[in-house]
Amino acid sequence: DGGITQSPKYLFRKEGQNVTLSCEQNLNHDAMYWYRQDPGQGLRLIYYSQIVNDFQKGDIAEGYSVSREKKESFPLTVTSAQKNPTAFYLCASSIDWAISNQPQHFGDGTRLSIL
Amino acid sequence: AQSVAQPEDQVNVAEGNPLTVKCTYSVSGNPYLFWYVQYPNRGLQFLLKYITGDNLVKGSYGFEAEFNKSQTSFHLKKPSALVSDSALYFCAVRDGGNTGKLIFGQGTTLQVKP
Repeated sequence: DGGITQSPKYLFRKEGQNVTLSCEQNLNHDAMYWYRQDPGQGLRLIYYSQIVNDFQKGDIAEGYSVSREKKESFPLTVTSAQKNPTAFYLCASSIDWAISNQPQHFGDGTRLSIL
Repeated sequence: AQSVAQPEDQVNVAEGNPLTVKCTYSVSGNPYLFWYVQYPNRGLQFLLKYITGDNLVKGSYGFEAEFNKSQTSFHLKKPSALVSDSALYFCAVRDGGNTGKLIFGQGTTLQVKP
């Protein structure tokens, strides 16, 4: 089955530590997205990539970094500069960012907590 | 700027009764609207979309949504609620710029009581 796989499901970070969240898709989608979900705030966009080897900052990119070296992979690193990283992180993809009528498909998320 | 509002944090209905989850939007240009559902500790599942055409859009699991341009609303409906419909529902609008990103409402928790 095609889909988006996020790992790990749960992740704990120590003070001063960088952690990387994995996102892999086998849908052959060009566009990929990272969202952060906090209770009562909906989803906020961290970074997005419209095509391989290219990515752009979203609305809350500070303290995060990404790479897009392969079409199917879009890992997110939460750096020690992100002072409030505790949240549920969701990765999504879509066929092509320019096609307005196509929905985004989501992975099952990674819950990050601070030790 | 594009925005989405879901005015109710929680909606409570009895099983078998009709349900409505409200959404209003603000966009420049044509709106591309989506509804998603999220179960605990899971990702978002796509329910339905409005792009153009009929104002009543049918989607997955018996859900439908009514697009009203004059009221800038896109309310989610279901004629007969199930306990299993209890979840968090998000309305989203596609950003009008060159990003492809979605702008989400804050979400509405639907609680269906037996």
